[in-house]
Amino acid sequence: NAGVMQNPRHLVRRRGQEARLRCSPMKGHSHVYWYRQLPEEGLKFMVYLQKENIIDESGMPKERFSAEFPKEGPSILRIQQVVRGDSAAYFCASSPRDWDYNEQFFGPGTRLTVL
Amino acid sequence: AQTVTQSQPEMSVQEAETVTLSCTYDTSESNYYLFWYKQPPSRQMILVIRQEAYKQQNATENRFSVNFQKAAKSFSLKISDSQLGDTAMYFCAFMKLIYNQGGKLIFGQGTELSVKP
Repeated sequence: NAGVMQNPRHLVRRRGQEARLRCSPMKGHSHVYWYRQLPEEGLKFMVYLQKENIIDESGMPKERFSAEFPKEGPSILRIQQVVRGDSAAYFCASSPRDWDYNEQFFGPGTRLTVL
Repeated sequence: AQTVTQSQPEMSVQEAETVTLSCTYDTSESNYYLFWYKQPPSRQMILVIRQEAYKQQNATENRFSVNFQKAAKSFSLKISDSQLGDTAMYFCAFMKLIYNQGGKLIFGQGTELSVKP
């Protein structure tokens, strides 16, 4: 059973470009979470999604950031018109519908560098 | 809002010795979960141990154990018989369930642990 997959692992963008980060949850997992880790800091929650629904986006910046988890395919975190402050590691996690287990399984992260 | 505080930015321990990492949190919730995650240089987040707030018994996983003091809102991690592979950043995290399904993790700032030979 493959773990959470994220791609790309490294992404370089110039200021003003768009960044698309992809996350494929573990097989059978229907909950996806995105976290951001700025240099020398802990992870910060961004958004929690289920298939075709945004459950909690309280950690998402109000502008330029959006996330989706369609019925088919991976979850996408989209950052429009990137700025240098967006440079960070972005982690995706997934969990099963059965919350007796209550663990979030993390992907390896995507390191975004904005030039 | 919930907050998690790790007051030790860095710690070091000799191989085979025991070390304790501190964590305090603030919440008005009565039912929640607490976790310790490890982030080695590879940056992969690895779950070390979890604790349900409604359970009084402290969780243990092999060499890892916690001291959960609910009234004091304290959740420390003890690593026994430290190994070189334990060298990593350790994050304490709090989770409150959302609609009794998923939940967002709120992380502390982390403690960088170095195990010395």
